[in-house]
Amino acid sequence: EAGVAQSPRYKIIEKRQSVAFWCNPISGHATLYWYQQILGQGPKLLIQFQNNGVVDDSQLPKDRFSAERLKGVDSTLKIQPAKLEDSAVYLCASSLDSSGRTGELFFGEGSRLTVL
Amino acid sequence: GENVEQHPSTLSVQEGDSAVIKCTYSDSASNYFPWYKQELGKRPQLIIDIRSNVGEKKDQRIAVTLNKTAKHFSLHITETQPEDSAVYFCAAKGDSSYKLIFGSGTRLLVRP
Repeated sequence: EAGVAQSPRYKIIEKRQSVAFWCNPISGHATLYWYQQILGQGPKLLIQFQNNGVVDDSQLPKDRFSAERLKGVDSTLKIQPAKLEDSAVYLCASSLDSSGRTGELFFGEGSRLTVL
Repeated sequence: GENVEQHPSTLSVQEGDSAVIKCTYSDSASNYFPWYKQELGKRPQLIIDIRSNVGEKKDQRIAVTLNKTAKHFSLHITETQPEDSAVYFCAAKGDSSYKLIFGSGTRLLVRP
């Protein structure tokens, strides 16, 4: 079974530039998550999709971050303009459970962003 | 909202000894508590989870205990091996909330 795919794996940009990350979840998984993991910290949920609808985006800095999940499958996370404090690993995860209440999260390898 | 605190932040044990990592949660409605292991540069992977209708769950050398009254849960690793060295994250999710909230992580080092 193919896992969660993410790209790019690494990205270096200057502050105020923009960046986009792509995620392809495991086939058939209804729920998709984007987490931000700053070095030395636990993953922090940015946004959670149930199929192509947003379940929670309370922690997403909406003035600079946006995310979409087209047709309930792939998802993109965009940052514009980037700030120094956005340097982190952006983890995409998916879960089979359609209710989003329980169930194992399968994580991708992550996209490491460095903002200079 | 839910808050999950995890201790200790670092833990060093001798190979063969036991390791215990503790977490507390704030939302009394939380009912799902997974533990993830993240090796250096790798993705987090689920190692064990427990639901609120049980107090303990064991899988070979790994066990998790849950105290709903005190709102805390713990990960126990027995007979530690060098390959257990990693960062471990606890997490909690409530029935009314779809959010899985992670603790800050514990870096475990098993000395050969």
